[in-house]
Amino acid sequence: DIVMTQSPDSLAVSLGERATINCKSSQSVLYRSNNVNQLAWYQQKPGQPPKLLIYWASTRESGVPDRFSGSGSGTDFTLTISSLQAEDVAIYYCQQYYSIPITFGQGTRLEIK
Amino acid sequence: EVQLVESGGGLVQPGGSLRLSCAASGFTLSRHWMYWVRQAPGKGLVWVSRINSDGSSTSYADSVKGRFTISRDNAKNTLYLQMNSLRAEDTAVYYCARVGGFGELCWGQGTLVTVSS
Repeated sequence: DIVMTQSPDSLAVSLGERATINCKSSQSVLYRSNNVNQLAWYQQKPGQPPKLLIYWASTRESGVPDRFSGSGSGTDFTLTISSLQAEDVAIYYCQQYYSIPITFGQGTRLEIK
Repeated sequence: EVQLVESGGGLVQPGGSLRLSCAASGFTLSRHWMYWVRQAPGKGLVWVSRINSDGSSTSYADSVKGRFTISRDNAKNTLYLQMNSLRAEDTAVYYCARVGGFGELCWGQGTLVTVSS
């Protein structure tokens, strides 16, 4: 199984400041055939299901604010929130869909400083 | 609008059984692989099972293999998870999720399963 490891486990950022969450996979999730990383980012607020933010490591889902961006390739990925808003308080998960079983990072709790 | 609505959760004793359902609307279920993913209270997301679009192929996490069975009825636009020999560690919110064309997941609201005596 591919192990996904996020850092940090929790993060406190001031409103309007940048938040950065890292995700590392135990093996590459890059499909060589189409050069696409099989990596997604989700946001989960209390009592709600996860919400898709980013797929293919860097493609923003329709309707997701452009302050959210994803980057990285192979085994190392980053989710960046350029200017933190109050409504961004949540737990963020990375997930690989390169192989079954799909696996998730342990989550990063983002709070307001 | 894509909707996935889970049902069938509840309180069950250890060793008991439950059948979860996931009613799909707003899209053609038969075109999509489907997953069950669970989340224990205060914990992270864990994949449980997957089924391909016509139901001919399934996979399970080792923790549920031999106890859980995933199935689907595309004519009824419904996904199922039959859970037998339930254990306390199966306590979780169970989500059904649609696999999109890019591999991304669209999630239902979840149904809570509590295994306790």
